[in-house]
Amino acid sequence: EVQLVESGGGLVQPGRSLRLSCAASGFSFDDYAMHWVRQGPGKGLEWVSGINWNSGSIDYADSVKGRFTISRDNAKNSLNLQMNSLRPEDTALYYCAKDRSSSWTHGHGMDVWGQGTTVTVSS
Amino acid sequence: DIQMTQSPSSLSASVGDRVTITCRASQGISNYLAWYQQKPGKVPNLLIYTASTLQSGVPSRFSGSGSGTDFALTISSLQPEDVATYYCQKYNSAPLTFGGGTKVEIK
Repeated sequence: EVQLVESGGGLVQPGRSLRLSCAASGFSFDDYAMHWVRQGPGKGLEWVSGINWNSGSIDYADSVKGRFTISRDNAKNSLNLQMNSLRPEDTALYYCAKDRSSSWTHGHGMDVWGQGTTVTVSS
Repeated sequence: DIQMTQSPSSLSASVGDRVTITCRASQGISNYLAWYQQKPGKVPNLLIYTASTLQSGVPSRFSGSGSGTDFALTISSLQPEDVATYYCQKYNSAPLTFGGGTKVEIK
């Protein structure tokens, strides 16, 4: 069964850091680009970051650029998101999602999603 | 950055109705557009990619059209299980912006 399982969310104070992880199984992880997408409480979907199959191409939404870092370990079938200098507006459910292609640019959409992990930034 | 504008933001229709949701890009994106369905409390589900290609397992009552800046998602005969919020997303280049969503309800 194709599966993505996120972990690492929690309650954190503004300015602090948090690291999210996503464990992939049931498919050839190193064949596909991966993404982080978030959804604030009662809000729509926001793409956060994407990484291609070999980590050779990475980009971020402007709202997180310079604060968040995406990475992957193909040997461990895992995707990570290091989140620094967290702000209250980063509060959201964070989804890990698999791209249908090896490249996240000019790909073909996100066909597998995890259940998400909740990040709450508050003092 | 390219903006993605969906309309309407919500709609209410009867079972069996034909429903169309539109998505407009502020600049041309060729056919690099996907549509997702998110049912209440659930994870988003890919319906359509490359503007008009139906994802495996998605009912044939869903269809997509368009290219360039104007796109549409059509449900040919609305079913109760189609109650959800629908999002378009561009993926030609970063940022991979989503539209604001269209909430579909049954009248």
